[in-house]
Amino acid sequence: SQKIEQNSEALNIQEGKTATLTCNYTNYSPAYLQWYRQDPGRGPVFLLLIRENEKEKRKERLKVTFDTTLKQSLFHITASQPADSATYLCALTGGGNKLTFGTGTQLKVEL
Amino acid sequence: DTAVSQTPKYLVTQMGNDKSIKCEQNLGHDTMYWYKQDSKKFLKIMFSYNNKELIINETVPNRFSPKSPDKAHLNLHINSLELGDSAVYFCASSQDTGHGVIQHFGDGTRLSIL
Repeated sequence: SQKIEQNSEALNIQEGKTATLTCNYTNYSPAYLQWYRQDPGRGPVFLLLIRENEKEKRKERLKVTFDTTLKQSLFHITASQPADSATYLCALTGGGNKLTFGTGTQLKVEL
Repeated sequence: DTAVSQTPKYLVTQMGNDKSIKCEQNLGHDTMYWYKQDSKKFLKIMFSYNNKELIINETVPNRFSPKSPDKAHLNLHINSLELGDSAVYFCASSQDTGHGVIQHFGDGTRLSIL
């Protein structure tokens, strides 16, 4: 069956460092991969989308890579700030309307 | 101006009751969704409607019935509530472009069954 896994343990890093979050998938051939941010008590908010034929996408301090051979996406936040603390979700779709979400990784950026 | 709004935000009720959650989007999107997020924060699709037509219907008990009166509204009615229905229910919408369907979420309805 399809499986999307993210770091189950929380990731704690120091302010100013680069946070790297991992999303691995099996039994899936996604056409698109997305990353969302979720704050406590709020709904997920879209951050970035990357297509299967793209290796890397950037937006301000965010960078996403997509390796369809390794079946993995890495999500980087450079110069991290305490305001970046949240849960980050990866989500995959084969091109239709159905998004399948990963389990999420909680990031905490400490002063 | 809230893009996707859900009501109520909190819902506490007894087992066996019937309840409804409402969702409205003002983004002009064609497609709306219901998701369930359990205590482990896993977000799972339940239903999706495109222009008032059901297009995704995952393995959900038939006690759950979605209704879309128009493409800006998608409501969720739950009959005979059970303890396992306690979760956060999120509504979302997307423009049906077929290019990755970026979704816009409401802030959830926290359902607690006593």
